[in-house]
Amino acid sequence: EAQVTQNPRYLITVTGKKLTVTCSQNMNHEYMSWYRQDPGLGLRQIYYSMNVEVTDKGDVPEGYKVSRKEKRNFPLILESPSPNQTSLYFCASSFQGQPNSPLHFGNGTRLTVT
Amino acid sequence: SQQGEEDPQALSIQEGENATMNCSYKTSINNLQWYRQNSGRGLVHLILIRSNEREKHSGRLRVTLDTSKKSSSLLITASRAADTASYFCATDAVTSGTYKYIFGTGTRLKVLA
Repeated sequence: EAQVTQNPRYLITVTGKKLTVTCSQNMNHEYMSWYRQDPGLGLRQIYYSMNVEVTDKGDVPEGYKVSRKEKRNFPLILESPSPNQTSLYFCASSFQGQPNSPLHFGNGTRLTVT
Repeated sequence: SQQGEEDPQALSIQEGENATMNCSYKTSINNLQWYRQNSGRGLVHLILIRSNEREKHSGRLRVTLDTSKKSSSLLITASRAADTASYFCATDAVTSGTYKYIFGTGTRLKVLA
């Protein structure tokens, strides 16, 4: 089944403790992206990747890192999480990151930083 | 307002009625897409309409696009309880040769059985 898989689904951590949220897709998509969703703010893009070893900042990249060493994986790294990074995170992928390519989303990771 | 802003923010209707939600955007686009999100889950792509199209249908969904007004509408006909979800429009923007998708804040639809 074609899908985008994120793990974990829920994560509670403390300020400053490094964490990684994994994202994997099995559709051979070139484009991958991370979003965060906050009430009243919609989805905001954190980072995106047009292809392996190519990553770029989205609208809210501060406090996050990503890597794209393989086509299928695009982990999101929080080196020193802070409470303002408490949010619902989504990974998404599309065929070529072209505007006529629909995004496929994972089921989300709900992160709480205390 | 943001690129891709939906209106109304929330909508409550009876099963069988039609639901209409609107999206306004600011800059020129190539395409506009609509997505559905069930509570706390990932977004699911519904329909894409290109900038040179005025109307598109998919099952009970009808999307219109008016580029002169920079607006789009999503109509769900004969709504069902299972249509209860949030609906987002997404527009594309070209930035430094790469494309990005800009999402609005969504319309929360509740269909009462």
